[in-house]
Amino acid sequence: GAGVSQSPSNKVTEKGKDVELRCDPISGHTALYWYRQSLGQGLEFLIYFQGNSAPDKSGLPSDRFSAERTGGSVSTLTIQRTQQEDSAVYLCASSFFGRTEAFFGQGTRLTVV
Amino acid sequence: GIQVEQSPPDLILQEGANSTLRCNFSDSVNNLQWFHQNPWGQLINLFYIPSGTKQNGRLSATTVATERYSLLYISSSQTTDSGVYFCAVERKDGGATNKLIFGTGTLLAVQP
Repeated sequence: GAGVSQSPSNKVTEKGKDVELRCDPISGHTALYWYRQSLGQGLEFLIYFQGNSAPDKSGLPSDRFSAERTGGSVSTLTIQRTQQEDSAVYLCASSFFGRTEAFFGQGTRLTVV
Repeated sequence: GIQVEQSPPDLILQEGANSTLRCNFSDSVNNLQWFHQNPWGQLINLFYIPSGTKQNGRLSATTVATERYSLLYISSSQTTDSGVYFCAVERKDGGATNKLIFGTGTLLAVQP
């Protein structure tokens, strides 16, 4: 596609439910990043995929968070048993490969009620 | 890990004024980018500038990699320049590639 696409744009879920957030990177980009931005805060790194290498999961805040990338393209971030503190905007970015310019999607605003 | 500090944390300008935003980082980097986050939350790419100087209209940026800082210049500011400006770096680590680490941002408000 022309840019990084994320879905849904907004998600409201009840505490304790599982959610899946999707990221469709720019075609041909091998690197994919997930970040989280709480209200009024900076971007918190979550996970980084680079080609066929093992992902860097060092930013995942708990074992309720997981992510996968199928076929080196689309990525899904899953949050299990959501908590209110998980409410944030989840941003995805991709780049051609590491060390090149990264481009962001519009984000998914997650609200846990 | 690498530390990325931005200054000032916030800035109020009158339309037409110039400003300089700074990004300091604590380690050698492969990649440095400046982003503008608009009031709708979208991150707009401004510059990919691991070293040297680039200009794009009223904006320009300089990165001095050996001294571990980058500067973003905004000239003749407009109200549409309002938002948060982030720098993000990728730490240099031999042949490996790493995630982008973001600074805390500079909140800019341009008043008419």
